[in-house]
Amino acid sequence: EAAVTQSPRSKVAVTGGKVTLSCHQTNNHDYMYWYRQDTGHGLRLIHYSYVADSTEKGDIPDGYKASRPSQENFSLILELASLSQTAVYFCASRDAANSDYTFGSGTRLLVI
Amino acid sequence: KTQVEQSPQSLVVRQGENCVLQCNYSVTPDNHLRWFKQDTGKGLVSLTVLVDQKDKTSNGRYSATLDKDAKHSTLHITATLLDDTATYICVVGDRGSALGRLHFGAGTQLIVIP
Repeated sequence: EAAVTQSPRSKVAVTGGKVTLSCHQTNNHDYMYWYRQDTGHGLRLIHYSYVADSTEKGDIPDGYKASRPSQENFSLILELASLSQTAVYFCASRDAANSDYTFGSGTRLLVI
Repeated sequence: KTQVEQSPQSLVVRQGENCVLQCNYSVTPDNHLRWFKQDTGKGLVSLTVLVDQKDKTSNGRYSATLDKDAKHSTLHITATLLDDTATYICVVGDRGSALGRLHFGAGTQLIVIP
């Protein structure tokens, strides 16, 4: 059973529309992360969270919001989707005691 | 500026051959380095983690080295299989704690042909 589950697996969104990407983890990890992956580039950190009800900005937070309503769930919100946000988005969780990360399978977002 | 450079960008080998993937980085501090395998359309799966100043690890047909003085790592895959076709990503962690950041390379796309 996948320990980090992302939904949807893929989505097509219209420019200017609102998009919510969801992530659910069953690892009992405190730390959760949202990354985006663009072709030819490494993953880049958008937002992360150390604890429920708290989020932090990563390296590229502009145009994104995050929500951590519980330890298990971490959402990424695009209030006004833009063409430049077409990418694959990965959620990850991490144990506070070590450097082991668990990644989800990704959400492929196409903004048209 | 890219802090983790991987080479080659892509590589084609025949099944059964060995291959070596390279990772050079400028991340400081460099607490640990991890190699991930990413199958097409899938998430990242950790292959190995290197921690020591000069480290070596082995995981089946995968073996890796790390030289922190040279800020260089290699991933060796022996006797490649068709299922090894994937993108291999080098990731450097700048701290051991959860406060640390991960720095990702763009990956090496490996294609194994019959």
